[in-house]
Amino acid sequence: GAVVSQHPSRVICKSGTSVKIECRSLDFQATTMFWYRQFPKQSLMLMATSNEGSKATYEQGVEKDKFLINHASLTLSTLTVTSAHPEDSSFYICSAVAIGGYTFGSGTRLTVV
Amino acid sequence: SQQGEEDPQALSIQEGENATMNCSYKTSINNLQWYRQNSGRGLVHLILIRSNEREKHSGRLRVTLDTSKKSSSLLITASRAADTASYFCATDAHDGTSYDKVIFGPGTSLSVIP
Repeated sequence: GAVVSQHPSRVICKSGTSVKIECRSLDFQATTMFWYRQFPKQSLMLMATSNEGSKATYEQGVEKDKFLINHASLTLSTLTVTSAHPEDSSFYICSAVAIGGYTFGSGTRLTVV
Repeated sequence: SQQGEEDPQALSIQEGENATMNCSYKTSINNLQWYRQNSGRGLVHLILIRSNEREKHSGRLRVTLDTSKKSSSLLITASRAADTASYFCATDAHDGTSYDKVIFGPGTSLSVIP
């Protein structure tokens, strides 16, 4: 089936630095990818929709200047958390639309210290 | 954004018992999916039910969908300790754009006691 590869799986960074998370569709082209954030013991919250070749669409309350999304090719979308702070520590998951339905990356655990 | 509610928020049962989780949503949908997530891990897709289906089975899982009430239920029969996890429903929500966003419910935390 369709696979989305997400890296890194875990990252620890210092407060004030930026972190980039990548999601690649391995055997299909993904014109649209979705980025979610999940805080402990909570559900997945949609942050933004990434569209190849155009600007991402952000959900209400998500700072587009803080969470930079780039979808420059049909197989790669990146989420960059800029000037990360401890409150940005969370589990980030990407998703893409494949022929069989939606497929999810394995997630990235971000810890900002 | 989130799509509706799930109940119960937490459920604790004995191994061998059945577990029922409910999910409600707000918008019209193409389909509804159920996912499992073990603590700190990624999502495992369990089952998809389309808007024109009312019931679907997969192994020990049974999903129902009532589009008139905008609700779904997930039944896990003969539960096992390994079923301990969080369970989420997710719907593709029409928002007037060219794509449908998948929105998750708040989830049910299931504990199966051996």
